[in-house]
Amino acid sequence: KAGVTQTPRYLIKTRGQQVTLSCSPISGHRSVSWYQQTPGQGLQFLFEYFSETQRNKGNFPGRFSGRQFSNSRSEMNVSTLELGDSALYLCASSLGGQVNEKLFFGSGTQLSVL
Amino acid sequence: GQNIDQPTEMTATEGAIVQINCTYQTSGFNGLFWYQQHAGEAPTFLSYNVLDGLEEKGRFSSFLSRSKGYSYLLLKELQMKDSASYLCARTNAGKSTFGDGTTLTVKP
Repeated sequence: KAGVTQTPRYLIKTRGQQVTLSCSPISGHRSVSWYQQTPGQGLQFLFEYFSETQRNKGNFPGRFSGRQFSNSRSEMNVSTLELGDSALYLCASSLGGQVNEKLFFGSGTQLSVL
Repeated sequence: GQNIDQPTEMTATEGAIVQINCTYQTSGFNGLFWYQQHAGEAPTFLSYNVLDGLEEKGRFSSFLSRSKGYSYLLLKELQMKDSASYLCARTNAGKSTFGDGTTLTVKP
């Protein structure tokens, strides 16, 4: 069974641009969540999608948005990039998003904003 | 991490035992996960505790006290490959909140 796949692996953008990151969950997993990881702030929850609906949301500005498609693949978009958005963006999937389900993480997209 | 505290760094010797502590806010708590993350890699699941007590899985054990908002991860017979970051995460209503992670360095 293939794991969680995130593309691209690395991205370099400049301030003010926008970016779209992609995540393909493990086959059969319907919940996809996104996290931002930085050395100073650890793993910060962005949002979680289940059956194409955003079910949970973290404390990030509206510049961060996402969506989920009918095949459970998910995309995350960041508009008007800021230097502080430089981070590793991790996507995680689970079967149905139940509380006791472990998360399976992708390798992440390393975003650098110059 | 939000309302989750764990030590930033720990160092231990190969073959020894190390305990990594994690404290968290108890309100709205459902369960406690531990993940391992090697540098440059994705976090991987280690353990999940929802009831008080100790869960043992080979060289790794995890303990939970719900009333105290406290958990620990115990690593026995340390190996060099155990050098990694260990993330404690609490779940609440389907959302996982992570601590900042404890970087463990295992020395020969």
